[in-house]
Amino acid sequence: QSVLTQPPSVSGAPGQRVTISCTGSSSNIGAGYDVHWYQQLPGTAPKLLIYDNSNRPSGVPDRFSGSKSGTSASLAISGLQAEDEADYYCQSYDSSLSGYVFGTGTKVTAL
Amino acid sequence: QVQLVQSGAEVKKPGASVKVSCKASGYTFTTYAMHWVRQAPGPRLEWMGWIHADNGNTKYSQKFQGRVTITRDTSANTAYMELSSLISEDTAVYYCARGSAAAPYYLDYWGQGTLVTVPS
Repeated sequence: QSVLTQPPSVSGAPGQRVTISCTGSSSNIGAGYDVHWYQQLPGTAPKLLIYDNSNRPSGVPDRFSGSKSGTSASLAISGLQAEDEADYYCQSYDSSLSGYVFGTGTKVTAL
Repeated sequence: QVQLVQSGAEVKKPGASVKVSCKASGYTFTTYAMHWVRQAPGPRLEWMGWIHADNGNTKYSQKFQGRVTITRDTSANTAYMELSSLISEDTAVYYCARGSAAAPYYLDYWGQGTLVTVPS
């Protein structure tokens, strides 16, 4: 069950900045649990993009950034590129479920 | 480099069980937990459970409790996920993913996925 809500799609022109929201509740993001983001290119497995709210693994371009506030988190892509077209998912831990939860997913399109 | 290689696609009849394997390499297998995540057409991600490869402790999602069993073979650096009483809605790609160094986990490396098809 998805308890983290994301917009189904976002789009922007190449070079623009786009943001994806991830809205949770007091039992997950609002409880202080970290938020992580994954990128899933078409036909491939998800890949870790941002961990612990705002950290980038080695090799992830710095145009990707993350933030968290209250019961929500955001992923920003600055300088959108065609290769960024993918599905993006947030993830956190939920204390009421005693398990891990993913967002509903957002498809990013470069116009 | 860390690699997780999963077993091949499966087609199962309703009511049957499926067992998917995930062979790890490039790191010390017993230092980390292994998670299982599935992606049904939709295409949302759904966390199923995890096992700590060192002591074999497991934790399952409430949704799959009683139907999923995650095990590991430390001599083979391999984790397994078995799902029983299959229904058509279990048709999905199943992924193994390594948990980060400490809980609460993020998933830092993923397998290539295994498609399980349960015809209706």
